[in-house]
Amino acid sequence: DGGITQSPKYLFRKEGQNVTLSCEQNLNHDAMYWYRQDPGQGLRLIYYSQIVNDFQKGDIAEGYSVSREKKESFPLTVTSAQKNPTAFYLCASRDRVQYFGAGTRLSVL
Amino acid sequence: AQSVTQPDIHITVSEGASLELRCNYSYGATPYLFWYVQSPGQGLQLLLKYFSGDTLVQGIKGFEAEFTRSQSSFNLRKPSVHWSDAAEYFCAVGAILTGGGNKLTFGTGTQLKVEL
Repeated sequence: DGGITQSPKYLFRKEGQNVTLSCEQNLNHDAMYWYRQDPGQGLRLIYYSQIVNDFQKGDIAEGYSVSREKKESFPLTVTSAQKNPTAFYLCASRDRVQYFGAGTRLSVL
Repeated sequence: AQSVTQPDIHITVSEGASLELRCNYSYGATPYLFWYVQSPGQGLQLLLKYFSGDTLVQGIKGFEAEFTRSQSSFNLRKPSVHWSDAAEYFCAVGAILTGGGNKLTFGTGTQLKVEL
């Protein structure tokens, strides 16, 4: 089955801790994206990558970091510098359209 | 910069009634337009897309949308709503990025409630 897998489904972060959200795709897409979703605000772009070993900041990159070492993987790290990390995080990959994973809900302990 | 406005935050319709969700966009060139649907706690599923050509596009689950350039609109419609259509709906415009690739800019969503 082709698709985008995000893990974990739920994640809790302690004060001062970095956490990493996983995103894996087997669609053979070059481009991948990370979005943050807050109630009433739609989706906002955090980072995107058009090709392996390359990535660009989106609209709200502060407090986040990414890597793209493999075509199928685009992990997102929420660093301690992100002071309001509680949100629903969505990963997507693209050919002509963007396809989304099921999301990870991050909460602060 | 591109933007998308979905003026209705919440809409309630009766099952079997028709539905129209409004979307207005701002973009300097010919837009790529999309409608996605999201069930609670889930990712986004593509309903339909407009790239070019016929301004009335058909999508999955009986949805259609009409691109009206003069009004910068891309409204979503369904002739008869089913209870399972209750979800949040997002309109998005695609923009070409400097250096290639593209990004989507999303509206803030419309929450659809279906009364039985």
